[in-house]
Amino acid sequence: DGGITQSPKYLFRKEGQNVTLSCEQNLNHDAMYWYRQDPGQGLRLIYYSQIVNDFQKGDIAEGYSVSREKKESFPLTVTSAQKNPTAFYLCASSAPNEQFFGPGTRLTVL
Amino acid sequence: AQSVAQPEDQVNVAEGNPLTVKCTYSVSGNPYLFWYVQYPNRGLQFLLKYITGDNLVKGSYGFEAEFNKSQTSFHLKKPSALVSDSALYFCAVRDPFHTGFQKLVFGTGTRLLVSP
Repeated sequence: DGGITQSPKYLFRKEGQNVTLSCEQNLNHDAMYWYRQDPGQGLRLIYYSQIVNDFQKGDIAEGYSVSREKKESFPLTVTSAQKNPTAFYLCASSAPNEQFFGPGTRLTVL
Repeated sequence: AQSVAQPEDQVNVAEGNPLTVKCTYSVSGNPYLFWYVQYPNRGLQFLLKYITGDNLVKGSYGFEAEFNKSQTSFHLKKPSALVSDSALYFCAVRDPFHTGFQKLVFGTGTRLLVSP
């Protein structure tokens, strides 16, 4: 998990609330990513950013939003429009030919 | 579109025995292939990768993987399993035509259980 921090480790959300997951990296990587992990489904790409102030939708972007105001930071907001947000969320950044992952945030909707 | 298949949800092996975790892929062009390991409630840790060159790739913690182009496979292997190897293993493939941005496509994961 070196170089990438995610907070909080556990997050509980009431239905109808927006929540923001933090991701910070000190690896000086340009590209950053958000994945969602569900049991038996592997990792699915939510959003990615190749450079500051630019980001693109991944395969399952509906109900999520991101920002990339700083190179080191790529926060993910899970909005009330996301109908099934309970999952494990992983942030990553990449050097050429390798992605590095954070420790993850487990989000549970109550 | 690129894809990865991990046909086994779980692999059981006794400590000291060799282990194999299977992965097959589909991608246009020459693939970039990766193996990651995940321990409970943790992020993914990089094990090894194949970009080009020798078909047998050696990685972390004594793991290795063999790239087989004709069978489109990239199976993960270890000669002697340890109980501490018990974890969730993911195979991933990357489109080789994107350089700065790496869109990895992951398999569904294989749980390895090593018994004492």
